Amino acid sequence: NAGVTQTPKFRILKIGQSMTLQCTQDMNHNYMYWYRQDPGMGLKLIYYSVGAGITDKGEVPNGYNVSRSTTEDFPLRLELAAPSQTSVYFCASSYRTSYGNEQFFGPGTRLTVL
Amino acid sequence: GQNIDQPTEMTATEGAIVQINCTYQTSGFNGLFWYQQHAGEAPTFLSYNVLDGLEEKGRFSSFLSRSKGYSYLLLKELQMKDSASYLCAAPSSGSARQLTFGSGTQLTVLP
Repeated sequence: NAGVTQTPKFRILKIGQSMTLQCTQDMNHNYMYWYRQDPGMGLKLIYYSVGAGITDKGEVPNGYNVSRSTTEDFPLRLELAAPSQTSVYFCASSYRTSYGNEQFFGPGTRLTVL
Repeated sequence: GQNIDQPTEMTATEGAIVQINCTYQTSGFNGLFWYQQHAGEAPTFLSYNVLDGLEEKGRFSSFLSRSKGYSYLLLKELQMKDSASYLCAAPSSGSARQLTFGSGTQLTVLP
């Protein structure tokens, strides 16, 4: 199993550009999550999904959009990139809800907006 | 939402024991996680406590006191490779579907 994979690993955007961060998991997990991590900080939840066709906002959803058309894929869309979105983005998945179910993380995408 | 506190930094010597503390809000609590994150890498799962007491897993142990809203991660026989950030996380108040992470404790192990 590849686990959770993310592309790209690095990206530099100009202010106002848009992009999609890709996330795929091959563990047949129902739950998927997008986090951002700023330097020296913990993880902040952007969006999450409990299954195909179902998404919900996390703590910091503004400026982002997601979709979940399949169990495997959970792309994160940035529209009109801003310097405040410079961060490391992690995708994660878990079998079920937070009760005792560990989250498996992808390797991250390092995004810089200039 | 959930409010999690843990120290920002700790330093210890190779071979020693270190305890990393974490406090959280107890309302609607349903278990506490510890994750390890090496610099430039993704977090990886270490432990999950839902009942009071100490759970041991090799050199790492995790303790929980639900009444006090308190947990700690105990690392024994420290090795250089244990230098990493240790993140405490708990389900967000009112939502078992989300985890709230602490800011992490950066542990540096010195030779």
